[in-house]
Amino acid sequence: GNSVTQMEGPVTLSEEAFLTINCTYTATGYPSLFWYVQYPGEGLQLLLKATKADDKGSNKGFEATYRKETTSFHLEKGSVQVSDSAVYFCALSDLGSGTYKYIFGTGTRLKVLA
Amino acid sequence: GAVVSQHPSWVICKSGTSVKIECRSLDFQATTMFWYRQFPKQSLMLMATSNEGSKATYEQGVEKDKFLINHASLTLSTLTVTSAHPEDSSFYICSARESYSNQPQHFGDGTRLSIL
Repeated sequence: GNSVTQMEGPVTLSEEAFLTINCTYTATGYPSLFWYVQYPGEGLQLLLKATKADDKGSNKGFEATYRKETTSFHLEKGSVQVSDSAVYFCALSDLGSGTYKYIFGTGTRLKVLA
Repeated sequence: GAVVSQHPSWVICKSGTSVKIECRSLDFQATTMFWYRQFPKQSLMLMATSNEGSKATYEQGVEKDKFLINHASLTLSTLTVTSAHPEDSSFYICSARESYSNQPQHFGDGTRLSIL
């Protein structure tokens, strides 16, 4: 079946450091891929998405490229801020479900220190 | 755009009572809504998927008589936790999608349910 694997956290970085959060997936067909961010006590906010191979999603300085050859969708940011501290979830839409429900990764907690 | 409002944000109630959580799409019509449960420091667990005007489809292991889902309109879905017990205490999150397609889900801010 379909699955999403995310790197284990927590990830602790200093402000202005480079961020990479790895995400790989297993899926049949061509799912859309998403990154969501969750701040403490809140729901999830869509950060970026990509719908086909080689698409690059970007938002608020974050980027991720849909790599079909490596089945990856790694999240990157060139210079993190304290306000980026949150939990990040990688997800794919399950085309086989009929409802395009999400398969989520386990989430990666990011802590940015001033 | 694509705002989902979830209410209440926090509820505390006694064991044995029923609790209703509302999920509204404020600026779009939500053909499909999803209900999730999230345990502390864990990922989201999908409980059920509901399409407007149809019965909800529950994931394996989720008791449909315990977690009643209604999606009577294109902007409102409700989750009722019936005869709640302490083990039902959790963070419940809804999401909504605009059409029967591969578009992103938009999430509410969640409801923290505490059963005493």
